[in-house]
Amino acid sequence: GESVGLHLPTLSVQEGDNSIINCAYSNSASDYFIWYKQESGKGPQFIIDIRSNMDKRQGQRVTVLLNKTVKHLSLQIAATQPGDSAVYFCATSRASGGSYIPTFGRGTSLIVHP
Amino acid sequence: GAGVSQSPSNKVTEKGKDVELRCDPISGHTALYWYRQSLGQGLEFLIYFQGNSAPDKSGLPSDRFSAERTGGSVSTLTIQRTQQEDSAVYLCASSRQGGNTDTQYFGPGTRLTVL
Repeated sequence: GESVGLHLPTLSVQEGDNSIINCAYSNSASDYFIWYKQESGKGPQFIIDIRSNMDKRQGQRVTVLLNKTVKHLSLQIAATQPGDSAVYFCATSRASGGSYIPTFGRGTSLIVHP
Repeated sequence: GAGVSQSPSNKVTEKGKDVELRCDPISGHTALYWYRQSLGQGLEFLIYFQGNSAPDKSGLPSDRFSAERTGGSVSTLTIQRTQQEDSAVYLCASSRQGGNTDTQYFGPGTRLTVL
């Protein structure tokens, strides 16, 4: 079945450094990928997404890279700030009854030290 | 409010009791999702609603779990005869139509503790 995993449970960085959070997925048929940020006590918040026909997409201070050959995606955060401290989840989606249900990985906890 | 709301924010109950968790999605969103998040884990899909119907209930862990949605809006997740392993944060999300690229907006969750 589908599984989505993250390589590291915790990532510690210094403020101002760039952060890279990695994610592997198992279903080669996955065609849509999403990154979420979850702050303590809150629900996940959409950060950025990418379709399988792309290999890179940029947002504000964030970039997602997709390597379909090895079924790997990454989230890069530039100039990491203390407010970026959170758990980051990658997710792939599967079609279900006209909708799309995300499958989430376990999450990587990003800790930004001032 | 503009976002997804859930109530209660915290619920402590005794093993064997029934609980009801409520989700108010964003107005106009036809798709609604329930997830469960155990400590240190990712989100586990429970059930998906499109309008008032639930085309995908595949994530409900047992027949003690049920959910309904009325008026294409509010949804209630019911857990009967709660067990300690039901302790988790229950998250609700809604999206505009449930399409592949429709962003899911999450509520803050209900933290359920079963003693």
